[in-house]
Amino acid sequence: EDKVVQSPLSLVVHEGDTVTLNCSYEVTNFRSLLWYKQEKKAPTFLFMLTSSGIEKKSGRLSSILDKKELSSILNITATQTGDSAIYLCAGISNFGNEKLTFGTGTRLTIIP
Amino acid sequence: NAGVTQTPKFQVLKTGQSMTLQCAQDMNHNSMYWYRQDPGMGLRLIYYSASEGTTDKGEVPNGYNVSRLNKREFSLRLESAAPSQTSVYFCASKFEARGVDNSPLHFGNGTRLTVT
Repeated sequence: EDKVVQSPLSLVVHEGDTVTLNCSYEVTNFRSLLWYKQEKKAPTFLFMLTSSGIEKKSGRLSSILDKKELSSILNITATQTGDSAIYLCAGISNFGNEKLTFGTGTRLTIIP
Repeated sequence: NAGVTQTPKFQVLKTGQSMTLQCAQDMNHNSMYWYRQDPGMGLRLIYYSASEGTTDKGEVPNGYNVSRLNKREFSLRLESAAPSQTSVYFCASKFEARGVDNSPLHFGNGTRLTVT
């Protein structure tokens, strides 16, 4: 059974701090890993990672995949209160209909 | 573009009642999904549909049925609601094609269902 584990489960930091969120996966016939940000409603897409060692960046957020370690990290620098959210990662399998397996998420709280 | 639209946003049911959650997407995606999200459990796949006319079970299909009415619409039905089905339900869609990079899942805003 495919599994995705995220750590920490929750994190509270002050505005301006840098945070690193972790995701490890056990996904049969792994294809890609996705990161989402979930505020009050729908998860919104952040990154899709398919190749190991290539950093993807969007503003203060960046992410990288390590296929040898079966893991990924999401970094947020100079955090702002608007970064408070649940961050989800999901592994995509290449079997069948490319189903996603989600982790339980990291709840990030930024204190002003 | 509206993206993925779910109705209703909130619903309260009594045990044993039935209801249908509606989902429509206007992005011409071929694949559609229903997930439920519970505290500490993450998003779990209930059913998915790779194309119009096909549906398949996900991780937690018991107690649910689905219909892929056309390319745009994918509904989730609870025939006899149980308190264990209290959850937030998300519909999602994506474009899938073999041999090309996947597009990400696009989610609706969710339906918060309470079964008493």
